Amino acid sequence: GDSVTQMEGPVTLSEEAFLTINCTYTATGYPSLFWYVQYPGEGLQLLLKATKADDKGSNKGFEATYRKETTSFHLEKGSVQVSDSAVYFCAQNPSNTGKLIFGQGTTLQVKP
Amino acid sequence: GAVVSQHPSRVICKSGTSVKIECRSLDFQATTMFWYRQFPKQSLMLMATSNEGSKATYEQGVEKDKFLINHASLTLSTLTVTSAHPEDSSFYICSAVTPKGGAYEQYFGPGTRLTVT
Repeated sequence: GDSVTQMEGPVTLSEEAFLTINCTYTATGYPSLFWYVQYPGEGLQLLLKATKADDKGSNKGFEATYRKETTSFHLEKGSVQVSDSAVYFCAQNPSNTGKLIFGQGTTLQVKP
Repeated sequence: GAVVSQHPSRVICKSGTSVKIECRSLDFQATTMFWYRQFPKQSLMLMATSNEGSKATYEQGVEKDKFLINHASLTLSTLTVTSAHPEDSSFYICSAVTPKGGAYEQYFGPGTRLTVT
């Protein structure tokens, strides 16, 4: 069935380090792909999305490219800040109905 | 931007009682709302899909008689945890979906922390 797999955390980085959080998916069709962020004590916020192959989603310095050939949607940021510390969820929307399938989440901790 | 609220944000109840959680879309009409459950340090698990004016669709393994969902209007869905037990303690999150440009935009509520003692 459709699924999303993220790299296990926690990921601990120093401020200004480069970030990559891997995400791969399995799907029978061509889903939209998303990254959501959950800050401590808060709900989920959409970080970025891509709706078709080779699309690049970007927001707040974060980027992810929809790679159909590798079924991946890895999240990257060139220089992380302490304020980026949060849990990041990769998700897919396989049927374009809004029903999301989430990965297990990756906790990012950025130290000054 | 679109805002989804949940009420209450936190609730503590005794085992055997029922708890109702509200999910509201504040500035848009939601054709569909979803209810998720999130265990500590784990991902979100979809519990059910709530469509206005019709019965909710539950995911496999979710007891529909225990988690009652009512979507009475295009801006309100409620989740009632009936006869709650400590194992029902969790973080419950709703989301509201609205069509936009041929696709769907989904907005999440801030979540409700349920603790059953």
